Amino acid sequence: GENVEQHPSTLSVQEGDSAVIKCTYSDSASNYFPWYKQELGKRPQLIIDIRSNVGEKKDQRIAVTLNKTAKHFSLHITETQPEDSAVYFCAAISSGGYQKVTFGIGTKLQVIP
Amino acid sequence: GAVVSQHPSRVICKSGTSVKIECRSLDFQATTMFWYRQFPKQSLMLMATSNEGSKATYEQGVEKDKFLINHASLTLSTLTVTSAHPEDSSFYICSARVSGEAFFGQGTRLTVV
Repeated sequence: GENVEQHPSTLSVQEGDSAVIKCTYSDSASNYFPWYKQELGKRPQLIIDIRSNVGEKKDQRIAVTLNKTAKHFSLHITETQPEDSAVYFCAAISSGGYQKVTFGIGTKLQVIP
Repeated sequence: GAVVSQHPSRVICKSGTSVKIECRSLDFQATTMFWYRQFPKQSLMLMATSNEGSKATYEQGVEKDKFLINHASLTLSTLTVTSAHPEDSSFYICSARVSGEAFFGQGTRLTVV
């Protein structure tokens, strides 16, 4: 099955700096890679996603890059703000079967004012 | 986006009792729903895939007789934790996918005392 590795597990940045979270996946059949933000005790919320036919996608301060050959994808948050503090999960979804979502272990991001 | 509603949000039960958690798709039909468990500071781990009108598919290591899943309609899946023990205390979240994107319920914080 799919295996998604995510790092770092914790990340502290100063407000205004950039944050980068990296993930690798194992299943070459995976073709959809969403990123979720989860605040304490709440449900994960999709913040950005990318499909395997695209190498990069940007939405305001958030961007995601995908390298299919190397099987890794990254989340970039620029001009970080305290409200960006949360746990971020990457995920990989394959095109076959029931399209299970396999999550990374999560990265706790702390933005220091 | 699509709305997935999960109930209850919090439940405290005594050891040995059973707890039912409901997951509803409010504005779409979901032939497949996913049930996850999340322990503190950990990622979302898929427990089982719920299929409308048929048996659920359980992940390795998840006891199907302990975690009963029923998906009787296209808008409702239920997870029943039977004979709950303190180690079952966790955050349980359901999810359904629409056009590839995963939408999550609010989650249920189960505490077994």
